[in-house]
Amino acid sequence: DSGVTQTPKHLITATGQRVTLRCSPRSGDLSVYWYQQSLDQGLQFLIQYYNGEERAKGNILERFSAQQFPDLHSELNLSSLELGDSALYFCASSVVATASDTQYFGPGTRLTVL
Amino acid sequence: DAKTTQPTSMDCAEGRAANLPCNHSTISGNEYVYWYRQIHSQGPQYIIHGLKNNETNEMASLIITEDRKSSTLILPHATLRDTAVYYCIVRVAVTQGGSEKLVFGKGMKLTVNP
Repeated sequence: DSGVTQTPKHLITATGQRVTLRCSPRSGDLSVYWYQQSLDQGLQFLIQYYNGEERAKGNILERFSAQQFPDLHSELNLSSLELGDSALYFCASSVVATASDTQYFGPGTRLTVL
Repeated sequence: DAKTTQPTSMDCAEGRAANLPCNHSTISGNEYVYWYRQIHSQGPQYIIHGLKNNETNEMASLIITEDRKSSTLILPHATLRDTAVYYCIVRVAVTQGGSEKLVFGKGMKLTVNP
């Protein structure tokens, strides 16, 4: 158990819909990262927040957005869903935000778009 | 981010040491070597990381060559539960304001056989 929690575990929805994935970082961690893992693309970095502020963006679509709240939990919002958005979505957290600071991953949310 | 090269797959007998190689010939002096593993579709699990010196923790040992162009992850007594995809990642130490994302490659599938 990494200490990072993600809800829900599974999500099944239809094309065109909007969903919200939630992540609670480990106690004391200020930085949250979101990653997407699809069969054809592997694990890809989406976005990073540090202490409530966006810090870096990766391959995140404009239909996707995220935020980190004052209590440091984070939400990833996916809208106008397409079949290709079906994937595992992982959240990771670290204490601060340096390359020597280990990221710990949550168990993920499996999104299925029908 | 420096690129890493790993074998596609490797087999190991249960109870034996598993030596997982990784080449990172373009690594820079301030880049860390990280190892994660992913068991089935679970969240990636942190194993170990290092910069120049060899490292050991309760899970594994990391041996980095003197020129830092390659490294080996050693699982001293492999068990069936060590069957997973192992990722070797080189991560740059950026200053504050940069991105500390992890860049995952395809990894290496380790199968531990009874």
